[in-house]
Parts: sequence; C-alpha cells; structure tokens
Amino acid sequence: GAVVSQHPSWVICKSGTSVKIECRSLDFQATTMFWYRQFPKQSLMLMATSNEGSKATYEQGVEKDKFLINHASLTLSTLTVTSAHPEDSSFYICSAQWGGGTDTQYFGPGTRLTVL
Amino acid sequence: KQEVTQIPAALSVPEGENLVLNCSFTDSAIYNLQWFRQDPGKGLTSLLLIQSSQREQTSGRLNASLDKSSGRSTLYIAASQPGDSATYLCAPGGSSGSRLTFGEGTQLTVNP
Repeated sequence: GAVVSQHPSWVICKSGTSVKIECRSLDFQATTMFWYRQFPKQSLMLMATSNEGSKATYEQGVEKDKFLINHASLTLSTLTVTSAHPEDSSFYICSAQWGGGTDTQYFGPGTRLTVL
Repeated sequence: KQEVTQIPAALSVPEGENLVLNCSFTDSAIYNLQWFRQDPGKGLTSLLLIQSSQREQTSGRLNASLDKSSGRSTLYIAASQPGDSATYLCAPGGSSGSRLTFGEGTQLTVNP
C-alpha cells in the first residue's frame, strides 16, 4: 500500500518557538494532503486541506497565520506551528491522497508535539 | 455539519468472538465511508473503503456494510484475535469527496 511518512515523530519545544512538521508521500504523488489534529481521548479534527502549488484551505476556527501550511511539491507538505503555546500540544497527523474525490486517504504515523 | 457517532465507545471480548462495531452519521450525502484502525500513539491504517454506491466491502476477517439512506455503517470482525486490539474509527467522506469526518472511535480489547 501507499506509504506516508512524517518527521519528526515527536518534538518538545519551548513556548513561543516555531515547529515545522513534514509530511511525505514516499511512493506516490499526492495531489492533495490533509492535516489533522488529535487531542487525547478525542477523534481527529481536520485542520486544513492543501493542494500542490496552491494555498491551503483552512477549517473554521483554525488560525491560518498560526498554522502555516506549504505544499510545494507532489510529495511534500509542511505544517509550521508558529509561536507555539502549551495549548497547541497535540498529536498532528497528515494524510495524502493521490487523486481527488473518492480516493483513499493514506495517513502518516503522526507527530507528537509537546510545548512546555 | 456532519456528525459521526460510534457505538460502543469501548468493547472487551474474549479471543475468537465475532463482533460488530456501529457507526451512524447525520448527513447521508456522502461519497464514501472509510473504516480505520488506530493503535495507541500511532497514525491511522485504512481498513476498508466503501463507495456510496456500494453496500459492503470485505477484506479478510473484516466486513463493512453501508446503509447510506439511514446513515449507518457497521464493521464486522470475525474470529477476533488479540492483535485486533486497537481503536476503530469510522469516517464518512463528504459531498466534496475528500473531506472526512471522524467519529470518536470504538476502543476494542480482545483478551487471549
């Protein structure tokens, strides 16, 4: 099956710093990538949808200036959490989709962010 | 706004038992529905994808059904094994196709 990787798998940072998380599709070209956030004991919440070469579409309530998404190539999308605060501590998961519409989303292993 | 409910929230069964996980969703205008497995602290593994025109999909010991009009899906696991222990998530895909809405999952424990 299709493989999606994330780096780093976990990160601890100080409050006020920025953290960049990478999402890569290893064996296919992803026209669309998605970023989700999952708090403990809760389900995944979609943060934004990004298409290669265009601006990301953010979900209601997600600050686009705080969560910067770049989808510069068909195999790489990055999420940068700017000026991170403890409430941003969460499990961030990306997914990638080859085609549009009804195609399967393949999920990365997730990145655990802890902001001190 | 799509809302997804999964019942039960947690389930503990002895090894070998057949079991059914339930998922209901409020907006029946979906393009597909996926079932995922999530192990603790890990990402998601796609188990089955059912298109809106289909009634069910099978993969090994797993069978997922979809009743789009009533907003329900079930995941049937036959002859459960301890390795099946995980959280199972249901996610209908919206009318835009790509957008998935997740339920809170069913935490399954299969005891040896």
